[in-house]
Amino acid sequence: QSVLTQPPSVSGAPGQRVTISCTGSSSNIGADYDVHWYQQLPGTAPKLLIYGNRDRPSGVPDRFSGSKSGTSASLAITGLQAEDEADYYCQSYDSNLSGWVFGGGTKLTVL
Amino acid sequence: EVQLVESGGGLVKPGGSLRLSCGASGFIFSTHSMNWVRQAPGKGLEWVSSITSTSGYIYYGDSVKGRFTISRDNAENSLYLQMNSLRAEDTAIYYCVRVGNYGSGTNWGPGTLVTVSA
Repeated sequence: QSVLTQPPSVSGAPGQRVTISCTGSSSNIGADYDVHWYQQLPGTAPKLLIYGNRDRPSGVPDRFSGSKSGTSASLAITGLQAEDEADYYCQSYDSNLSGWVFGGGTKLTVL
Repeated sequence: EVQLVESGGGLVKPGGSLRLSCGASGFIFSTHSMNWVRQAPGKGLEWVSSITSTSGYIYYGDSVKGRFTISRDNAENSLYLQMNSLRAEDTAIYYCVRVGNYGSGTNWGPGTLVTVSA
């Protein structure tokens, strides 16, 4: 059972927009700790996609965007492409655990 | 270019020990906190341990507390994870992660596989 809650799967057709939610609690997202998102392609290490709730590292397309409100955060992907098919994880910090917490991951399928 | 390369994984029997290493290059290692994160086969990501830049603060996840020890050698640009009393549920790929902007995992190594089995 992950501390942060994500839907197990989402899907969309090429060109469409999808969103992935990430719900936490008062000791992590709700305590104003930043949310970060990672993309993990099959057989590879996770890669930072969004940091500080909404910022993109250099090289990440602006099709990817993040937002945060209250105890939740969201990742939006517009103009879906086949290469976006991957697992996506949200991550924050938890004051009770004094460490990182992750969502269970969301598998994105591009139809 | 930032590079993180883990080593030391392998097959170990339950109750055994293993020491993971992570060699870092391409950034000023001594100024960054570092984390270990693991991923069991077919499962999600789990934070294992954190160490601040000068080893002043160290934290562990509940599942490894008392069994694993994180350390670093800033002169050698290296991060370590000593794993004792290993259990089957410790079987996972272990990633070395550089902590960057706003506490995010800015860079990840390719990982090293630890298998605990009789």
